[in-house]
Amino acid sequence: DARVTQTPRHKVTEMGQEVTMRCQPILGHNTVFWYRQTMMQGLELLAYFRNRAPLDDSGMPKDRFSAEMPDATLATLKIQPSEPRDSAVYFCASGLVGGGDQPQHFGDGTRLSIL
Amino acid sequence: AQKITQTQPGMFVQEKEAVTLDCTYDTSDQSYGLFWYKQPSSGEMIFLIYQGSYDEQNATEGRYSLNFQKARKSANLVISASQLGDSAMYFCAMRERSSGYSTLTFGKGTMLLVSP
Repeated sequence: DARVTQTPRHKVTEMGQEVTMRCQPILGHNTVFWYRQTMMQGLELLAYFRNRAPLDDSGMPKDRFSAEMPDATLATLKIQPSEPRDSAVYFCASGLVGGGDQPQHFGDGTRLSIL
Repeated sequence: AQKITQTQPGMFVQEKEAVTLDCTYDTSDQSYGLFWYKQPSSGEMIFLIYQGSYDEQNATEGRYSLNFQKARKSANLVISASQLGDSAMYFCAMRERSSGYSTLTFGKGTMLLVSP
């Protein structure tokens, strides 16, 4: 089965360091999403891309977060500088827009801890 | 107002019994889709079942079925013959036409524990 691949699975780093999370979407999917999951806020949409173009990043703190999709097989989410409140699980998902019943498929997530 | 409301923070059920997880939604769109995802303790998000707003029949997928009541704006997940492996967090989500059928809005989730 095709899967969304995220790396790394776990990341522990100190406050102020740059963090880069990577995602390989399912081949053929035209939309890529970044979510953050915390106990307090649940699942929040940070940003998403369609055909590699950023469509909405209103969920991201703009001063420290950036999301890019340099090619169809790679999406990245960067945090610079990182802060303890960024500790969360970050999910990437991909899907087909326009396919009404097509679900988003999620990666296994990156569990991020900022000390 | 919350778009997706899951009122049960936690549910307990015995193995082999059926369980219903509640989900109500709020939208002014006529066209939308409802999804259920399962998140086991290992953390991954697994798609379970989909219901379209124009679907006349309730969706079914193996032991999962969706009790869709459009007038009440509810889309409850029914798991029949619960198994120990069903213990997980369950999320209801909605995709609306007004979002271009792009983004999902998730509820807060319901933790299901299945006991032997």
